[in-house]
Amino acid sequence: HVQLQESGPGLVKPSETLSLLCNVSDYSISTAFYWVWIRQPPGKGLEWIGSLYARGNTYYNPSLQSRVTISADMSKNQFSLRLSSVLAADTAVYYCARSFLRGGYFDFWGRGTLVTVSS
Amino acid sequence: EIVLTQSPGTLSLSPGERATVSCRASQSVSSNYLAWYQQRPGQAPRLLISGASSRATGIPDRFSGSGSGTDFTLIISRLEPEDFAVYYCQQYGNLPGTFGQGTRVEI
Repeated sequence: HVQLQESGPGLVKPSETLSLLCNVSDYSISTAFYWVWIRQPPGKGLEWIGSLYARGNTYYNPSLQSRVTISADMSKNQFSLRLSSVLAADTAVYYCARSFLRGGYFDFWGRGTLVTVSS
Repeated sequence: EIVLTQSPGTLSLSPGERATVSCRASQSVSSNYLAWYQQRPGQAPRLLISGASSRATGIPDRFSGSGSGTDFTLIISRLEPEDFAVYYCQQYGNLPGTFGQGTRVEI
C-alpha cells in the first residue's frame, strides 16, 4: 500500500520559488509508474501540474511549463516540485500522487499541503 | 486541451436515492481514458473509476461509470451518508490531463 507525504513551506512570497517534496513509502519510485503533482486553489477544482516517469522523463502542463520543474531523488525515494516566480494565484493545496499514465489516472494521493503566496 | 463540463453543478438528494452525474468532453477522449474521483471536505480526492467503467480497488458496487467518446456518466445507485461529497471527472487520454469543475452531491 503506497503512501505519499508532501512537505515544504506553507508560505511563499510573491516572485519567489515554491519548493515541495513528496516522500514515498512502501514502493520504490525508480521501479515504475508516474509520480505527479496536482494542485487545488481554495474552494476550486483540480489542476494537473506535471508528471515524472520512473525512468526520468517529465511532462508538464503547458500553462505552467515555463515555471515548473519536477525531479526525483531516487536514493531518498522522494520527488520534488519547484514553481518559480509565484503569484497569489498559485495559492493552493498541492498534492503529490501516483499515476499509471502520463496524464492520469491517480490511484494513490498524499494528504496535500496548503501553500499560500503572500508578502 | 480537452475541456470537461460536468452537470449538474449541485445535486440535492436524500440517502437511498440515485445520483447521476454527467461529464461531457469538448472532444473525444482517447481510449475512453476517463476517471472519476470523490473528494470529501478536507481530504484528498479518491479514485472511484478508471477507463470510464472500471471500479478501483475497494470501491463499492453502488458506484458505476459508463460512456464513451465525449459523454460519460457516474451513477451512485443508492446514496449512503458518506457519499455526500464533490465528484470530479478527469480525462487522461491527452496531455494535459484535465478535470471537470466538480459536482457537489448534497443532502
